Amino acid sequence: AQRVTQPEKLLSVFKGAPVELKCNYSYSGSPELFWYVQYSRQRLQLLLRHISRESIKGFTADLNKGETSFHLKKPFAQEEDSAMYYCALQTGTASKLTFGTGTRLQVTL
Amino acid sequence: DAGITQSPRYKITETGRQVTLMCHQTWSHSYMFWYRQDLGHGLRLIYYSAAADITDKGEVPDGYVVSRSKTENFPLTLESATRSQTSVYFCASSDPGRIAKNIQYFGAGTRLSVL
Repeated sequence: AQRVTQPEKLLSVFKGAPVELKCNYSYSGSPELFWYVQYSRQRLQLLLRHISRESIKGFTADLNKGETSFHLKKPFAQEEDSAMYYCALQTGTASKLTFGTGTRLQVTL
Repeated sequence: DAGITQSPRYKITETGRQVTLMCHQTWSHSYMFWYRQDLGHGLRLIYYSAAADITDKGEVPDGYVVSRSKTENFPLTLESATRSQTSVYFCASSDPGRIAKNIQYFGAGTRLSVL
């Protein structure tokens, strides 16, 4: 069965410091991976997806099939990046997502 | 962006009562989903629907019932609420069409407390 692991519940960094939110997955097929973000008092929304290979709000994520990872990175954290981040794996044709347990990113001055 | 709305936003009920959470989307997305969000578990899929009158179980379906008589509505019913169903419930929709393939759009959530 598919599984998504986010090992850190809370990641606290200083403003301007690099950020890396870890995500590992287990799935025997070809994965489609996403990062969703939930800012305070806002609804969960897509941040980026691996097939787009784009940078959103300075964040990037590279799918590493050898390490089964999809870590989210940003070179310089900003206060507005403070939020809950979820890594999600889509499998099959029914558009279902398997979410990790989430990592709360806290950016402090 | 109010394409997907959930009601009520907050609900307090007692054990044993039936509760229905509503979800409405205006995009005509074919897929709709219900998740629950709990500390330490992230989001877990309760039920999903590929189209009107087509529903299927997710990871944690016990104690829940869904229906989808119209494409735009996907209500979730707790037939006899239990304290373990205290949670934040999120509805989502997606369109498997080419452009936004498989991206899920979420409602604002319903915070349910079962006393």
